[in-house]
Amino acid sequence: IAGITQAPTSQILAAGRRMTLRCTQDMRHNAMYWYRQDLGLGLRLIHYSNTAGTTGKGEVPDGYSVSRANTDDFPLTLASAVPSQTSVYFCASSSRYGPDTQYFGPGTRLTVL
Amino acid sequence: KNQVEQSPQSLIILEGKNCTLQCNYTVSPFSNLRWYKQDTGRGPVSLTIMTFSENTKSNGRYTATLDADTKQSSLHITASQLSDSASYICVVSEGYGGATNKLIFGTGTLLAVQP
Repeated sequence: IAGITQAPTSQILAAGRRMTLRCTQDMRHNAMYWYRQDLGLGLRLIHYSNTAGTTGKGEVPDGYSVSRANTDDFPLTLASAVPSQTSVYFCASSSRYGPDTQYFGPGTRLTVL
Repeated sequence: KNQVEQSPQSLIILEGKNCTLQCNYTVSPFSNLRWYKQDTGRGPVSLTIMTFSENTKSNGRYTATLDADTKQSSLHITASQLSDSASYICVVSEGYGGATNKLIFGTGTLLAVQP
C-alpha cells in the first residue's frame, strides 16, 4: 500500500505556464486536501474535497483550481503560474473531512521563475 | 484572530536528553489539537490528537499534554534519538463538538538532536 503519492517531486516552471500537480491515494479516503508550505509560515489550505464530486475553497485558493472526478485522485492546477506560487505543495487525505487524522504525501517542490 | 504559536522556534539537544516543545493557541471554538512530525523533505506525520476532554496522550517516547483552560499544549520527547531531528508542528482544529471547520497550523519547532 503506497498511501499518498504526488507527482512530480519537483518542477521548475516559467511564469505564465499552466501546471497540474498530481495526487493519488489508495486508502479509499473520502476527504482530500491541498496545502502549500512556505518558509516561516504554517501549512495553508488551498482547496479541499469532502468526497468525490465535491470541492471547496480553503484559505488561499486564488490562482488554483481542483477537481475530484473519483475517490483516488485530486489534481491541483495552476492555470497561469506566478512567482508567488513558488512553494512546496502537500496533498493530504483523511477518512472523513475534519476530525480524522490527515495523511500527507511527500510533497512537490515548485519553483516559478 | 485564531492563531497557533509555537516555541521555541528551534532547539538543539544532545542524544538521550529529554525536551519539551510548547504550543499556545487562541482558536475558538476549539475542537481538537494535533501534533505532527515533519522530517526534512517529507510530508507531516501525525503523532497525537487530543480532544477537549483529554489532557494527555502518548505515542511511544512522545507525550502530548493539553490544558484547554489556559489554551496550552506541550509535546515532551523522552530519551531523544537522532531520528527525532525534525520539525514538530502543532495544529488546532476550529469547530464544535468534534467537528472541524478549519485547521490552523503553527509554524513548527525545528529540533536538532546531536550525537
